[in-house]
Amino acid sequence: NAGVTQTPKFRILKIGQSMTLQCTQDMNHNYMYWYRQDPGMGLKLIYYSVGAGITDKGEVPNGYNVSRSTTEDFPLRLELAAPSQTSVYFCASSYGTGDWETQYFGPGTRLLVL
Amino acid sequence: DQQVKQNSPSLSVQEGRISILNCDYTNSMFDYFLWYKKYPAEGPTFLISISSIKDKNEDGRFTVFLNKSAKHLSLHIVPSQPGDSAVYFCAAPDSGSARQLTFGSGTQLTVLP
Repeated sequence: NAGVTQTPKFRILKIGQSMTLQCTQDMNHNYMYWYRQDPGMGLKLIYYSVGAGITDKGEVPNGYNVSRSTTEDFPLRLELAAPSQTSVYFCASSYGTGDWETQYFGPGTRLLVL
Repeated sequence: DQQVKQNSPSLSVQEGRISILNCDYTNSMFDYFLWYKKYPAEGPTFLISISSIKDKNEDGRFTVFLNKSAKHLSLHIVPSQPGDSAVYFCAAPDSGSARQLTFGSGTQLTVLP
């Protein structure tokens, strides 16, 4: 099982450029999440989705957009990259069926905006 | 305001000794807590959890203790091994439908051989 996969692993962007971070899970999970982790900080939720076609904002959504057209994929879009978006981005998924929710994380995408 | 806090950014222990990682929380509505472990260049992986109705949960070398009156939980690793060197995050889910996790800032554990 591949679990949660993310591409690319690392990317350098110039200010104002746009890009899409890809996330795919093969566990048939209903819920998917995008987090960012800044140095010395915990993970902060950007956006989440409880199923195909349903997305909602997390704690730090500004500057990002998401879509969920299939159960497997949950891409994160940066439209106008800013230095403040330099971070490590993690995608995660969970079943969303019970109280004991364990989220499974991808390996992360390291983004540097210059 | 941080709802989940880890006040020690780093901890070093000798191999074979006990490692104790601490976490404080402010939201009394959290109904369970999780610990995640993260190696460099990898995503966090689930380690152990505890329900708010319990005060202890054990899994092999890992034990989590919950003190609800103090709003404090701790992760004990006995005996510590060099492979345990990683960043440890405590986390708690909110009560919403998506069970979004609130993470602490993490503690870097280094186990010295």
